[in-house]
Amino acid sequence: EVQLLESGGGLVQPGGSLRLSCAASGFAFSTYAMSWVRQAPGKGLEWVSAISSGGANTYYADSVKGRFTISRDTSKNTLYLQMNSLRADDTAVYYCAKTREGWFSFDYWGQGTLVTVSS
Amino acid sequence: DIQMTQSPSSLSASVGDRVTITCRASQDISNYLAWFQQKPGKAPKSLIYAASSLQSGVPSKFSGSGSGTDFTLTISSLQPEDFATYYCQHYKSYPPTFGQGTKVEIK
Repeated sequence: EVQLLESGGGLVQPGGSLRLSCAASGFAFSTYAMSWVRQAPGKGLEWVSAISSGGANTYYADSVKGRFTISRDTSKNTLYLQMNSLRADDTAVYYCAKTREGWFSFDYWGQGTLVTVSS
Repeated sequence: DIQMTQSPSSLSASVGDRVTITCRASQDISNYLAWFQQKPGKAPKSLIYAASSLQSGVPSKFSGSGSGTDFTLTISSLQPEDFATYYCQHYKSYPPTFGQGTKVEIK
């Protein structure tokens, strides 16, 4: 059974940093691209970032480019999102998502972790 | 970026009703279209991919159709557990984008 378990969310001040983790199990983690998708309170879904199966290639939404860094550790079956220079509009539930094939076809999602940026 | 527009934004329906949700892409995305269901406080759940392929474990009352720019999600007979918000998403190219969502409520 595929399982994705996010952690690392919390309250952070504007300009601060946070690192999210997503522990994966139940599938060959090193075989699939992975993404982060977020959802602001009461709003829709917004794709944030993606990383290739081997970790060499990454994509970012314009809204986070230069501030967020996606990475993965295949030895730990874990996906990361390092978030710097956080702003109030980064407040959201952050989901990690496994890709079915290619880059952006998502088949499984984690339960999400809430990031709140506020002073 | 490719814009995805869903209609309606919300609808009220009764148990047993046939429900259709429409998604339109701002340019041709072939069949690179997925549908997700999201219940309050829960993660999105994959229903349909490649416009019409059913995700494993999803009941056959859900079906998808379309190609190019116009797509539909149909629920053949609405059940209490189907009341949720539904999102379409294209994955034709970077960046992937989602529709704004369609909330299906109980009439």
